[in-house]
Amino acid sequence: ETGVTQSPTHLIKTRGQQVTLRCSSQSGHNTVSWYQQALGQGPQFIFQYYREEENGRGNFPPRFSGLQFPNYSSELNVNALELDDSALYLCASSSPGTGITDTQYFGPGTRLTVL
Amino acid sequence: GEDVEQSLFLSVREGDSSVINCTYTDSSSTYLYWYKQEPGAGLQLLTYIFSNMDMKQDQRLTVLLNKKDKHLSLRIADTQTGDSAIYFCAESIPTGANNLFFGTGTRLTVIP
Repeated sequence: ETGVTQSPTHLIKTRGQQVTLRCSSQSGHNTVSWYQQALGQGPQFIFQYYREEENGRGNFPPRFSGLQFPNYSSELNVNALELDDSALYLCASSSPGTGITDTQYFGPGTRLTVL
Repeated sequence: GEDVEQSLFLSVREGDSSVINCTYTDSSSTYLYWYKQEPGAGLQLLTYIFSNMDMKQDQRLTVLLNKKDKHLSLRIADTQTGDSAIYFCAESIPTGANNLFFGTGTRLTVIP
């Protein structure tokens, strides 16, 4: 069984630029959630995708957007980068309705630094 | 809104038990989770408990839930140096997306 993978591992951008982060969900999982983890903080929910549709969103501005593809992989796009966007971006996959829980399994994250 | 609180630091000696505490505010939580994060890594699921349970044991891990006080704890028996990490509790609330609300994490340091 393949776990959640994310790319790239690290990324450095400058203010105003745009970035795309990628996530492959765990085998058999159809739901992907994205979280932002600032240094010294717990992860904060950005949004979730289920069957290619956005299925809930946290308190993040519209310049944070996403996509989910038919194979359930996902992208997080951030436009007009700001210094405060520097963080570890975590992707988690789950499979709602499997009877146990919507337990989310996390990838290793992408460390984004905005200069 | 949802608020999950944890103490920031805990130090224990190798071989002792560790107890990490968490309080939350939303009584509609369905599941409560404990995740472990090692330096530079993602989150590793340790265990979870359904909100209608009081206790769950899984090898060296014991989770206690006091729903009345909205208090969750994680006990690690025979703590080892490899247990040094940041531990996050998280609650899942049925708002449609079942997203997780995390605490700020407790950094556990195990002293040899």
